Amino acid sequence: GENVEQHPSTLSVQEGDSAVIKCTYSDSASNYFPWYKQELGKRPQLIIDIRSNVGEKKDQRIAVTLNKTAKHFSLHITETQPEDSAVYFCAALSTYKYIFGTGTRLKVLA
Amino acid sequence: EAGVAQSPRYKIIEKRQSVAFWCNPISGHATLYWYQQILGQGPKLLIQFQNNGVVDDSQLPKDRFSAERLKGVDSTLKIQPAKLEDSAVYLCASSPRGIYEQYFGPGTRLTVT
Repeated sequence: GENVEQHPSTLSVQEGDSAVIKCTYSDSASNYFPWYKQELGKRPQLIIDIRSNVGEKKDQRIAVTLNKTAKHFSLHITETQPEDSAVYFCAALSTYKYIFGTGTRLKVLA
Repeated sequence: EAGVAQSPRYKIIEKRQSVAFWCNPISGHATLYWYQQILGQGPKLLIQFQNNGVVDDSQLPKDRFSAERLKGVDSTLKIQPAKLEDSAVYLCASSPRGIYEQYFGPGTRLTVT
């Protein structure tokens, strides 16, 4: 079945450094790739998304890149801040169903 | 606009008991999703409705889980009887027709003892 792999599972960075989280999907028909941030005990919040007809999208300190040929996409956070600490999930929309990655726990050390 | 509403927020039951969760999506959103999120994992789709019809329920354990969305608005998810492994957060999400973005509710944290 459809699958999304996410790496790393945990990531610690110093404040001000960059963080990169990578996901690989299996269904070549996937056409939409959102990224969610989930703080402890809270709902997932969409932080950025990208559609399959775009290779890169940026929103302030956050960017997402998509390589359709390799079937992988990445989240880039620059100038990390302590409030960026959370669990980040990638997802791929496969036909009509969202498949989520297993999550990355990001810790930004002050 | 008001967000996705869910209740209760927390529930503790013993195994073999029954439990029901309620979700009210954002007004006008045609698509409604129920996800199960086990601690440390990503959300797993249980069932997806388009208006009041089921689009996908392939990962719903139908021997114990059921869901309905009467009149294409709010929805209930029921577990009967509950097992220890059902302990999780149950998230409801909705999206407008033809729009990819999902809006999540606050979730219901279920603990089965």
